[in-house]
Amino acid sequence: KNEVEQSPQNLTAQEGEFITINCSYSVGISALHWLQQHPGGGIVSLFMLSSGKKKHGRLIATINIQEKHSSLHITASHPRDSAVYICAVRRGSQGNLIFGKGTKLSVKP
Amino acid sequence: GAGVSQSPSNKVTEKGKDVELRCDPISGHTALYWYRQRLGQGLEFLIYFQGNSAPDKSGLPSDRFSAERTGESVSTLTIQRTQQEDSAVYLCASSWGGPNTGELFFGEGSRLTVL
Repeated sequence: KNEVEQSPQNLTAQEGEFITINCSYSVGISALHWLQQHPGGGIVSLFMLSSGKKKHGRLIATINIQEKHSSLHITASHPRDSAVYICAVRRGSQGNLIFGKGTKLSVKP
Repeated sequence: GAGVSQSPSNKVTEKGKDVELRCDPISGHTALYWYRQRLGQGLEFLIYFQGNSAPDKSGLPSDRFSAERTGESVSTLTIQRTQQEDSAVYLCASSWGGPNTGELFFGEGSRLTVL
């Protein structure tokens, strides 16, 4: 079993829909990252969380440390949100990030 | 610079040759990471540099892989005697603080193809 599991693996939505991507992990962590990888390959860091909730524009990320679970929400989704969303966790002070396999999101106009 | 810069963007080499990949982090970023992404696969951690501390090399897949960093500046990832399974996009990222303090900024990657 992978230490970081994401669901769903693939997600197709209609423009305007509310989207949730989930990430569960099985190890103790000091931080969790949500990353976005566009079809061209470039990776952008969306959030780094260690507790609670963060919001940036239409994106919201939450984390529940006790339940070892994080969610990434996208409100009013748009075709330009189409990308692979990757959850990654860091254990303690280690530099090693453990990555989920990603969720491929496709938003149709 | 404005962002993390990697070079070359594409490299095609023959099996058995050595390759060197370069990463220029954002100025002032003390942490630098190398990752690898094989075609259709997820990201794999390779190595992490933090300031003047000893690097975390736990992700390097074999002794053919090595990396250096000059102070808090440029890093080079060297792959000796390349094999076809080394073909991947090699990504560099930097952050301003330690593992728990800084968001990651990624370069565009160096795509390595070993024939």
